[in-house]
Amino acid sequence: SAVISQKPSRDICQRGTSLTIQCQVDSQVTMMFWYRQQPGQSLTLIATANQGSEATYESGFVIDKFPISRPNLTFSTLTVSNMSPEDSSIYLCSGKQYNEQFFGPGTRLTVL
Amino acid sequence: AQKITQTQPGMFVQEKEAVTLDCTYDTSDQSYGLFWYKQPSSGEMIFLIYQGSYDEQNATEGRYSLNFQKARKSANLVISASQLGDSAMYFCANSGGSNYKLTFGKGTLLTVNP
Repeated sequence: SAVISQKPSRDICQRGTSLTIQCQVDSQVTMMFWYRQQPGQSLTLIATANQGSEATYESGFVIDKFPISRPNLTFSTLTVSNMSPEDSSIYLCSGKQYNEQFFGPGTRLTVL
Repeated sequence: AQKITQTQPGMFVQEKEAVTLDCTYDTSDQSYGLFWYKQPSSGEMIFLIYQGSYDEQNATEGRYSLNFQKARKSANLVISASQLGDSAMYFCANSGGSNYKLTFGKGTLLTVNP
């Protein structure tokens, strides 16, 4: 099974700033995704990270707020832009390998 | 569109007993997958088990088994011989068609008592 790492594991940021989260997979995955988990809630898909092209965003999420890159099959970044306290969440990346989907350990973001 | 319903916000089980966590789903796709994840307090999402809609046998992975009843659109997780370390939030999810995006239920918080 794929092992996924994320950096940073947590951060505390000021309102109005941006944070870039990195996701690295130790083996090739066919698809990569970014999810958000707000406090006490379930996971919601932000976007599908497409290799070498623009990400595909879900309803309610836009590229200006959550720009995503995926330069190769094993690496992706998510930026949370112009942050507000409402962006305080756990952000998780996942990778699909065969029929399974594995998640990174998550990035706990607190916005003050 | 996919929808997952987990009706048990919390469940309690005695150590070494078996427990069933309920999950029902709704989908218009002919081909879909069903997943269970464990999320301990540390926050990581641990993949437990997968069931494909065309799989005839119920999936099993060690102490985890998925009771798949396609006609009822249910995919319950059975944990046998519960351990204290099983205490966590459990999420059911499904993916449909060819997009493989996961839709999650609200989760069930399982507490294993000694």
